[in-house]
Amino acid sequence: DAGVIQSPRHEVTEMGQEVTLRCKPISGHDYLFWYRQTMMRGLELLIYFNNNVPIDDSGMPEDRFSAKMPNASFSTLKIQPSEPRDSAVYFCASTTGTDNNEQFFGPGTRLTVL
Amino acid sequence: SQQGEEDPQALSIQEGENATMNCSYKTSINNLQWYRQNSGRGLVHLILIRSNEREKHSGRLRVTLDTSKKSSSLLITASRAADTASYFCATDLGFGNEKLTFGTGTRLTIIP
Repeated sequence: DAGVIQSPRHEVTEMGQEVTLRCKPISGHDYLFWYRQTMMRGLELLIYFNNNVPIDDSGMPEDRFSAKMPNASFSTLKIQPSEPRDSAVYFCASTTGTDNNEQFFGPGTRLTVL
Repeated sequence: SQQGEEDPQALSIQEGENATMNCSYKTSINNLQWYRQNSGRGLVHLILIRSNEREKHSGRLRVTLDTSKKSSSLLITASRAADTASYFCATDLGFGNEKLTFGTGTRLTIIP
């Protein structure tokens, strides 16, 4: 398996633009997580899904952020409109949801909003 | 606020020495995990210890858990330059809650 796949790896955009980040979890993993990492706030959980259903979105900072998981192999995180304070590295992770609960992380998307 | 706090925030040691990092958390947990993050990369799982375990080993890694003190430690023995990375603890509450709460991380630098 190729592991968790994220695209794009780098995104530079201007304030006000829409940004869409994409994630393909490991096949057979029932849970998918979106995290944001910054120097100031560390690693924050934004939202997670179980079997394509959002379970906890309490970490989504504002209505500008939305996430979807239309099927078991694809998820998107959208920011509209983007702001400079959204600049961060966004990680996607997946897990099987067994008692082991080891999460497998993608390489991340480095977002810069100018 | 984050569940876990790591100590120290940064650590530099000579290659071959042992490195010890500590993690404290606030509430009762089910499992505690340690992850490594190399610069510019995603996190990689290292080891998991359950709340009913006190110590666990994996290669050069030794993890301890003291639930009475709500703390854990990660020991890396005979450090290598390739161990240079940030290390994070993460906790979960169990009972079907797969959410992990990560600590602030320790930045470890191994000096060749």
